[in-house]
Amino acid sequence: NAGVTQTPKFRVLKTGQSMTLLCAQDMNHEYMYWYRQDPGMGLRLIHYSVGEGTTAKGEVPDGYNVSRLKKQNFLLGLESAAPSQTSVYFCASSPLAGGYNEQFFGPGTRLTVL
Amino acid sequence: QQPVQSPQAVILREGEDAVINCSSSKALYSVHWYRQKHGEAPVFLMILLKGGEQKGHEKISASFNEKKQQSSLYLTASQLSYSGTYFCGTETHSSASKIIFGSGTRLSIRP
Repeated sequence: NAGVTQTPKFRVLKTGQSMTLLCAQDMNHEYMYWYRQDPGMGLRLIHYSVGEGTTAKGEVPDGYNVSRLKKQNFLLGLESAAPSQTSVYFCASSPLAGGYNEQFFGPGTRLTVL
Repeated sequence: QQPVQSPQAVILREGEDAVINCSSSKALYSVHWYRQKHGEAPVFLMILLKGGEQKGHEKISASFNEKKQQSSLYLTASQLSYSGTYFCGTETHSSASKIIFGSGTRLSIRP
C-alpha cells in the first residue's frame, strides 16, 4: 500500500494563477483532511470530508475550494493564488471520525506564491 | 478554537524527562498526539478518548483530564530520536471528526 500520496511535491506559482493539489489514499478511508503548515502556526485545518461527495469548512477555508468526487481522492484548489498562501500543505486520512482513529499524513506539498 | 500547548520549546540533555501540556477552552471528546521531524510529515503517537485515561508508547506516555480539558505528554529518559515538534490535536463533542491542532512544542535533545 502506498498510503497517502500528494501531487505535486513542490510548486511555484505567480500571484493570480490557479492550481489543484491532489491527495490520494489507498486505505479505503472515509475521512480526509487538508491542512496548511506555516512556521510557528502548527497545522491549520482548511477543509475536510467525511465521505465521498461531502466537504466541510475547517479553520482557514477562505481562498480554497475542495472536491471529493471519488472516495480515494481529495482535491484542494486555489482559484487565484496569493503570497499569503505560501505554505506547506498536508493531506491526511482516517478510517472513521472520533474514537481511536489516527490520521495518516501524506508527505506534503511545498507551495510558493510569488 | 486552537488548543494551547506549553512550553513552545524545550531543550533537554539525553536521559532527561519532559512534560508537554495541551489545554482547551472547550469540552473535549478526544486528544491526539503527533510528532513531526524536520521536513517530514507528522506521525501518530497516541489518542486518548476517556477522561482519566493514560496511555504509553515506548517511554512516551500521556494522560487526559476531561474535567480540566487538558492533556499532558510525558517523555521519560529522552533519547536523541525524540527530537522534533510535538502537536496535540483535539476533537470536541460538538464537532467530532474535525481535529484542531495546537501550534506545537519543539523538543531538542542534546547528547
